[in-house]
Amino acid sequence: LAKTTQPISMDSYEGQEVNITCSHNNIATNDYITWYQQFPSQGPRFIIQGYKTKVTNEVASLFIPADRKSSTLSLPRVSLSDTAVYYCLVGVLSGNTGKLIFGQGTTLQVKP
Amino acid sequence: ETGVTQTPRHLVMGMTNKKSLKCEQHLGHNAMYWYKQSAKKPLELMFVYSLEERVENNSVPSRFSPECPNSSHLFLHLHTLQPEDSALYLCASSQDRGGGEWADTQYFGPGTRLTVL
Repeated sequence: LAKTTQPISMDSYEGQEVNITCSHNNIATNDYITWYQQFPSQGPRFIIQGYKTKVTNEVASLFIPADRKSSTLSLPRVSLSDTAVYYCLVGVLSGNTGKLIFGQGTTLQVKP
Repeated sequence: ETGVTQTPRHLVMGMTNKKSLKCEQHLGHNAMYWYKQSAKKPLELMFVYSLEERVENNSVPSRFSPECPNSSHLFLHLHTLQPEDSALYLCASSQDRGGGEWADTQYFGPGTRLTVL
């Protein structure tokens, strides 16, 4: 299993760019890197997924170096509504069905 | 809205009660999951169903009993629970492509907040 390590918490201010880095030293060749966002008392929500280099969508960017041992989620110009827990996950296969292993996540607090 | 609904949203039950949690997905997926999230703990995978067959039981006590009558519905039957079972129970679904490929994105429901007295 590829374990992930990310900061427990981060603080930011509205309008700033936030970068959350995740370490996954034992990532396997076939593993993808996925980030989820979770608000209190809600289920996690998919943000972005990538395999290598850079991926960008309307919500965030994901930077993955060539060795794939880490990844960085970048949230441009955060707002108060971006306050949430952000989970970094690395794909794990169990039989023919993917199994997601959630860690502690990073609690992002955006301040006015 | 993620296309995954869960009922009830809140449930309070005594240790001797029997209750069921219901999950329904409207996404045409073929895999469904139950997760447990306790306070200040990571999500814990409980059960996985793929094509209506249970493919994963993550050492969950027998007082939790899942049921998947079809690919759109998933139940979690509860009986003789303990106070430490109080948690947010989340259902998710995905499209299992099989063949050893990485499973597609999982879509989560809003969860059922369970309190066991």
